[in-house]
Parts: sequence; C-alpha cells; structure tokens
Amino acid sequence: DAGVTQSPTHLIKTRGQHVTLRCSPISGHKSVSWYQQVLGQGPQFIFQYYEKEERGRGNFPDRFSARQFPNYSSELNVNALLLGDSALYLCASGGMRAGSPLHFGNGTRLTVT
Amino acid sequence: QQQVKQSPQSLIVQKGGISIINCAYENTAFDYFPWYQQFPGKGPALLIAIRPDVSEKKEGRFTISFNKSAKQFSLHIMDSQPGDSATYFCAASPKTSYDKVIFGPGTSLSVIP
Repeated sequence: DAGVTQSPTHLIKTRGQHVTLRCSPISGHKSVSWYQQVLGQGPQFIFQYYEKEERGRGNFPDRFSARQFPNYSSELNVNALLLGDSALYLCASGGMRAGSPLHFGNGTRLTVT
Repeated sequence: QQQVKQSPQSLIVQKGGISIINCAYENTAFDYFPWYQQFPGKGPALLIAIRPDVSEKKEGRFTISFNKSAKQFSLHIMDSQPGDSATYFCAASPKTSYDKVIFGPGTSLSVIP
C-alpha cells in the first residue's frame, strides 16, 4: 500500500512569493494534518482537516491556509513567504482515535531566500 | 511555552547499551503519549505509544514508562543498535483531538559500535 505522498520534495522560493504544497493520504484515510518542522526542532501542528472541513488550527498566521478535496487529498498554501518559513512541511493522515497512529509523509523541504 | 519537554537533547550510547530519553508535560488534558522515530530525510514514524492508565508498555527492545502523578514519561531502548541512531520525539495529544499531536523538541541518538 502506498503511504502518505507529498509533492514536491524540495522547493526554493523568494521572500514575498506564494507556495502550494500537496499531499495524498493513505487510501481510506479521511483525515489530513499538516505540520511544520524547523531544522533541529519537533514538528509543530498547523492544520487538521477531516471530510473536507477544518477541524483544528495551530498557532500560525493567516498567511497559512489549507484545503481538502473530495478525494481527501490536501493542499497547504503559504502567502507572502518569509525567511522564517523555511522548514520541512509534513503531511500526516490517520490518527483520529487514540491508538490510531498518525502516518507521516517524507515532507516537502521549503527554502525561502 | 513548551508543552512537552524532552531531555537530553543528544545522546551517545555504545552498542548493546541502554538508551534513556525523558519527557515531561503540564497539560492534564493530554490523553495519548506516542513516541516517534525520525531518520534523516524521512518523516516521523510511530515507534510505540501509551495511555495514562498504563504505567509501562513494552514492545520488543522499546519500553515506555509512565508516571501520571509526576506527569513524566520515558523511553528505554534496550540492547541499542547502530540502526537505532535517529532522532526520537516524545509527544502528547488531547482526548478531544488525537491527531493534534504536540511534539517535544527531540533527542538525537547515536549508537556507536
């Protein structure tokens, strides 16, 4: 079975630009979560979507937005990029119940110059 | 404000030794405590998890010890192997949102021959 897939794997953008990151969850998973992992730190929760509705939002500015499509895939959008947005962006599916683990993709490495 | 604290930041253990990573939390709403293992270039992968009504859980060489009154939990890796060299994250999530996982800052483990 395919795991969580993310695209692109690497991305270089300039300050002020916009970026869209994509995620496909494990087949059958209806929940998608996004995390930001700055180098040397633990992942930080950004968003969670279930059945196309936002179910949770972390402490991130409004420049960050996301959506989930009818096939449960998801996009994370970041506007007006700042240098501090450089990070590994992780998508995860599953995890809706205790004992049901989050399955992470390998992430998109975003570098903002 | 770090909701999940983790120590040490880095750890070097000889092959065959015991690796111990300690974590602490403040939020009593946390109800599920997973540990994730992350290799370079990969997303975090669930290693083992525990609920607060259990004081210890063992899976192979990995054991979680949980002290609910002290709000502390730890990971023990027995017979550590070079292949265990990775970054380990303790984490916690509340009953209201098991997929909103709060990660600790991570421990970089190196197992030397």
